[in-house]
Amino acid sequence: RKEVEQDPGPFNVPEGATVAFNCTYSNSASQSFFWYRQDCRKEPKLLMSVYSSGNEDGRFTAQLNRASQYISLLIRDSKLSDSATYLCAFLSGSARQLTFGSGTQLTVLP
Amino acid sequence: NAGVTQTPKFQVLKTGQSMTLQCAQDMNHNSMYWYRQDPGMGLRLIYYSASEGTTDKGEVPNGYNVSRLNKREFSLRLESAAPSQTSVYFCASSEDWRIGNTIYFGEGSWLTVV
Repeated sequence: RKEVEQDPGPFNVPEGATVAFNCTYSNSASQSFFWYRQDCRKEPKLLMSVYSSGNEDGRFTAQLNRASQYISLLIRDSKLSDSATYLCAFLSGSARQLTFGSGTQLTVLP
Repeated sequence: NAGVTQTPKFQVLKTGQSMTLQCAQDMNHNSMYWYRQDPGMGLRLIYYSASEGTTDKGEVPNGYNVSRLNKREFSLRLESAAPSQTSVYFCASSEDWRIGNTIYFGEGSWLTVV
């Protein structure tokens, strides 16, 4: 099993829609979790960290389910500018590195 | 504030040639990383340097060497390039490897090996 697996996508949604992505991880020792956004031919940039209690940043909500070992990202009221690839990442203390998922491509259509 | 700067941005190499990707950060970060990104594979860690003076292998180190020249600079060397090393390479840095949310990436280097 891969260390981290993401919904394959691509997701094509109309403007204003709500869309959710999941990311499962296999390393139960994972300590910290993140969502990154990557625009086409650009570098990844941190979107938000994922906390056990769940966290929200405007239209974006991230949640962590340790029992089932997955994190999720919910985007409400999608904008054209949300079109990008979303990468999940987790940090394992034992591995001393940030491990990334392969990414989920989102296209928001007018 | 430039952040993480990597050069060159584009490079075409012939099989067997060598080259060095340069990376520098101006954020006084302790940890630096080299990732490669291939379609459908996500970002994979090649090497990292948790702090000045140390380097460690990541997930895919074969065919690469690194040098942490000083706190600011971390270079990646391909001694004998192979077509399988065609990829986009990202250098990154963070305040400390244990603090994932402070990792910053350079703009990427597109490498093609023919």
